[in-house]
Amino acid sequence: AQSVTQLDSQVPVFEEAPVELRCNYSSSVSVYLFWYVQYPNQGLQLLLKYLSGSTLVESINGFEAEFNKSQTSFHLRKPSVHISDTAEDFCAVSHLRGNKLVFGAGTILRVKS
Amino acid sequence: ETGVTQSPTHLIKTRGQQVTLRCSSQSGHNTVSWYQQALGQGPQFIFQYYREEENGRGNFPPRFSGLQFPNYSSELNVNALELDDSALYLCASSKTGTSVGDEQFFGPGTRLTVL
Repeated sequence: AQSVTQLDSQVPVFEEAPVELRCNYSSSVSVYLFWYVQYPNQGLQLLLKYLSGSTLVESINGFEAEFNKSQTSFHLRKPSVHISDTAEDFCAVSHLRGNKLVFGAGTILRVKS
Repeated sequence: ETGVTQSPTHLIKTRGQQVTLRCSSQSGHNTVSWYQQALGQGPQFIFQYYREEENGRGNFPPRFSGLQFPNYSSELNVNALELDDSALYLCASSKTGTSVGDEQFFGPGTRLTVL
């Protein structure tokens, strides 16, 4: 069975500061990894994904995540956050043979001015 | 290209009632997955439908059931509602038959409140 642990329930950070949201997963088979963002009263939007190849993946709005197989981690980072990044971010894994997503509990990113 | 739509947006029911939630998948997608997101938690997989058949189910009781129609839209039915069924119900569509792990596109969700 797969599981995802997001180590921080909330991360407050000042605007233009760097941020890291931590995600660890557990799986006995190969996985695909995702970060989704959820703005208040909205559904989920894909931020970035790791399927194969380069272990460092990037999003169009400056976030990046690195797949670390030995540490079973997929931490999300951004060198300089904006107020508009305030949202809840979810890490998720998908089994090799299906699209079922297993989500972590989420991390609320609060960007302060 | 039309995205994933869900209806209704909000719904209030009482314990013991039945509810039907609807989802229209994104154009070109043939798979629909349903998730339950309780307040303060991550989404939990309920089940997935592909070619009108259930294609995987999470740890939810049989009173959670679903349908997929020939146009790939889907319904989630919940019978004998309980207070703990209060949650945001998310529908996601994807395109099975390409590469596994393809993106699931989520709808805005239906907020169900059970009183």
